[in-house]
Amino acid sequence: NAGVTQTPKFRILKIGQSMTLQCTQDMNHNYMYWYRQDPGMGLKLIYYSVGAGITDKGEVPNGYNVSRSTTEDFPLRLELAAPSQTSVYFCASSYRGTGAYNEQFFGPGTRLTVL
Amino acid sequence: AQTVTQSQPEMSVQEAETVTLSCTYDTSESDYYLFWYKQPPSRQMILVIRQEAYKQQNATENRFSVNFQKAAKSFSLKISDSQLGDAAMYFCAYKKDNAGNMLTFGGGTRLMVKP
Repeated sequence: NAGVTQTPKFRILKIGQSMTLQCTQDMNHNYMYWYRQDPGMGLKLIYYSVGAGITDKGEVPNGYNVSRSTTEDFPLRLELAAPSQTSVYFCASSYRGTGAYNEQFFGPGTRLTVL
Repeated sequence: AQTVTQSQPEMSVQEAETVTLSCTYDTSESDYYLFWYKQPPSRQMILVIRQEAYKQQNATENRFSVNFQKAAKSFSLKISDSQLGDAAMYFCAYKKDNAGNMLTFGGGTRLMVKP
């Protein structure tokens, strides 16, 4: 199993550009999550999904959109990129949301810089 | 809203010695879970140890153990026989026990291991 994969690894955007961060998991997990990690900080939840067709906002959703058309994929869309969106983005998945042993598995992250 | 606080931005330890990383959290819930994640320079988030709030016994995983004080809302991580490979950012995280719930992360502690 590849686990959680993210593409691209690095990206530089100009202000106002748009892009999609890709996330795929091959563990048949129901739950998927997008986090951002600003320099020197912990991760903050952007959006999450409890299954195909169902998404919900996390702590910092402004400026982002998500969709979940399949169990495997959970892309994150940035519209009109702003310097405040410069961050490292992590995708994660878990079998379900409850219980300590439904741990979240993280992808390797995408480092995004908006200039 | 839940908050997680790690009051030590940086810690250092001599190889083979023991170090304790602190974490406090704020919640009104009675059922929840606590985690310590390790983030090495590769950026990969690695689960180190987990604790269910309803368990009085402190969790242990090889050289890693926790001191969970529920009334004090404290959750510290002890690393025994520190190794060079333990050098990383360590994040404390909290999760409520209900479906679709997010992890709330502390700001992290950078651990340096001196040879």
